[in-house]
Amino acid sequence: QSALTQPASVSGSPGQSITISCTGTSTDVATYLYVSWYQLHPGKAPKLLIYEVSSRPSGVSNRFSGSKAGNTASLTISELQAEDEADYYCHSYTSSSTLEFGGGTKLTVL
Amino acid sequence: QLQLQESGPGPVKPSETLSLSCTVSGGSISSTSYYWGWIRQPPGKGLEWVGSIYHTGSTYYSPSLQSRVTMSVDTSENLFSLRLRSVTSADTAVYYCARIINYTILGVVLKSGVGYFDLWGRGTLVTVSS
Repeated sequence: QSALTQPASVSGSPGQSITISCTGTSTDVATYLYVSWYQLHPGKAPKLLIYEVSSRPSGVSNRFSGSKAGNTASLTISELQAEDEADYYCHSYTSSSTLEFGGGTKLTVL
Repeated sequence: QLQLQESGPGPVKPSETLSLSCTVSGGSISSTSYYWGWIRQPPGKGLEWVGSIYHTGSTYYSPSLQSRVTMSVDTSENLFSLRLRSVTSADTAVYYCARIINYTILGVVLKSGVGYFDLWGRGTLVTVSS
């Protein structure tokens, strides 16, 4: 059981926008601005999409954006493309000075 | 372009020790800007942070695994390693190595070895089976 709760799956059509939520508690997401998001494609190296809630590393498309409200962080992917079909994980710092991941969300592009 | 590559001897028997290495190419593991870490993903499950190490050998392990984990670094070979003792089938997972950028607040590191993972290896599946 992951400490951060994500929907098991989301789906969308090409060109649409989707949002993946990541719900934590007062000991992680609600308190800290240290939430990151990762994209996992089978057989490929995972990719950092967002760090510190809403910052995007160089080279990551601006179609990916992050936000946070209370104990829930969100990843939004706009203008959905076929290659966005992947698993997505959120990640947070905790008050115990450790790191925890969400359970992951499988994105299907219809 | 910095790259990370995991390697290991293959399947491990229950109660034995899992050993993996991560070779860093295209950059120095001795950079003062980064920690290095391991993350694992059991089949059909989510990601789990295992631990972090600095080029000086300073480590920080996940509390849930720290009694069984040892990480080390070899700066001459530009690699770092993971040893996990007394493994069970629950340790079967894809093991990823990654570069870590420490979280900071007002320029001060929050906790060494704790941060986000900006570059990853492709991962290697380690199966624990008799």
